[in-house]
Amino acid sequence: EVQLVESGGGLVQPGGSLRLSCAASGFTFSSYSMNWVRQAPGKGLEWVSYISSSSSTIYYADSVKGRFTISRDNAKNSLYLQMNSLRDEDTAVYYCAREVAVARGPYYYYGMDVWGQGTTVTVSS
Amino acid sequence: DIQMTQSPSSVSASVGDRVTITCRASQGISSWLAWYQQKPGKAPKLLIYAASSLQSGVPSRFSGSGSGTDFTLTISSLQPEDFATYYCQQANTPFTFGPGTKVDIK
Repeated sequence: EVQLVESGGGLVQPGGSLRLSCAASGFTFSSYSMNWVRQAPGKGLEWVSYISSSSSTIYYADSVKGRFTISRDNAKNSLYLQMNSLRDEDTAVYYCAREVAVARGPYYYYGMDVWGQGTTVTVSS
Repeated sequence: DIQMTQSPSSVSASVGDRVTITCRASQGISSWLAWYQQKPGKAPKLLIYAASSLQSGVPSRFSGSGSGTDFTLTISSLQPEDFATYYCQQANTPFTFGPGTKVDIK
């Protein structure tokens, strides 16, 4: 079964740090780009970060740039999100999501086809 | 960055109704658009990619159309399991999501 399982969430004080993990199984993890997406309580989805299959390309949302670091270990089938200088507004459920890329003519089209169950991060004093 | 808007923000509908949700990008994104369904307490589910391509396993009552800046998601005959929130996403980095459209029971 194709599966993503997040862990590492919890309660942290403003300014603190947390490291999220996402364990992949049931597919060739090293062949897929991955993303972190978050959802604040009662709010919509917000894309956080992207990492390519080989870690050669990384992107961040402006809201987390300079504070969060995405990484992966293909040997361990794992994705990570190191979160530093946490703020109240980082409180959210954090999902890891696999990117699917489908070729149509000269282009690739993307979506996130496999999601974890989410891990909750609460930033509060 | 490209901004995504959706309308309506919510819609009340009955089983069997045809429901259309609109998504607009602040600049042209060709067909780099995906649609997701999310139910309360659950992770999102990919419905449509490349603006109009149905993800494997998604019922054919869901369809997507559009290109450039204007896109639509249509549910041809609403089923009880379709009551959920729907998000569009511009599917080229940065992957901006729309604010969502909640479909609830009339």
